[in-house]
Amino acid sequence: DAMVIQNPRYQVTQFGKPVTLSCSQTLNHNVMYWYQQKSSQAPKLLFHYYDKDFNNEADTPDNFQSRRPNTSFCFLDIRSPGLGDAAMYLCATSRGPARNEKLFFGSGTQLSVL
Amino acid sequence: DQQVKQNSPSLSVQEGRISILNCDYTNSMFDYFLWYKKYPAEGPTFLISISSIKDKNEDGRFTVFLNKSAKHLSLHIVPSQPGDSAVYFCAAYNNNDMRFGAGTRLTVKP
Repeated sequence: DAMVIQNPRYQVTQFGKPVTLSCSQTLNHNVMYWYQQKSSQAPKLLFHYYDKDFNNEADTPDNFQSRRPNTSFCFLDIRSPGLGDAAMYLCATSRGPARNEKLFFGSGTQLSVL
Repeated sequence: DQQVKQNSPSLSVQEGRISILNCDYTNSMFDYFLWYKKYPAEGPTFLISISSIKDKNEDGRFTVFLNKSAKHLSLHIVPSQPGDSAVYFCAAYNNNDMRFGAGTRLTVKP
């Protein structure tokens, strides 16, 4: 089945140690998104790629970076994780940025920072 | 700032009865609204949507109502089934900006 795959399901890192989360898609969608969701809070958009064009949300910390080497893959890099970065990270895709294009989500990566 | 609010963190209903999940928004520029459903250990999946030019959209057991003057939308599930037990997220969209609510956990009891 075509889908959005996130690895790993759970990731543990140490305070200040760089970590990379990965996302792949077989839907051939143009847009890929990274959301951060903390417990009992709304998913918060960090950034998205429309093809190769990177779009950063204004309030996304500089600590968070992203790479999209090709259509299928997108990575979230956290350069120096802090305790406040522990959260569920959701990757999503859509065919285009239009308002009626629904998002397809991966299962998420739960990040713990020790 | 939380532009989309789901004020009920949880809701419990009996199987066969109606479930009503509510969502309020503050930005009058939102022009498209969506509901997503999330089961444990899975990502959210799209459920139903509505454009701001409509006040109702129905898909099987699921109906979304939009009241623009009140900046309020609701999702009705009737009849509710145990398999509907999940977290439901409301989302609102404007000009490449989609905002989510914090979700409501629905439990449908047999």
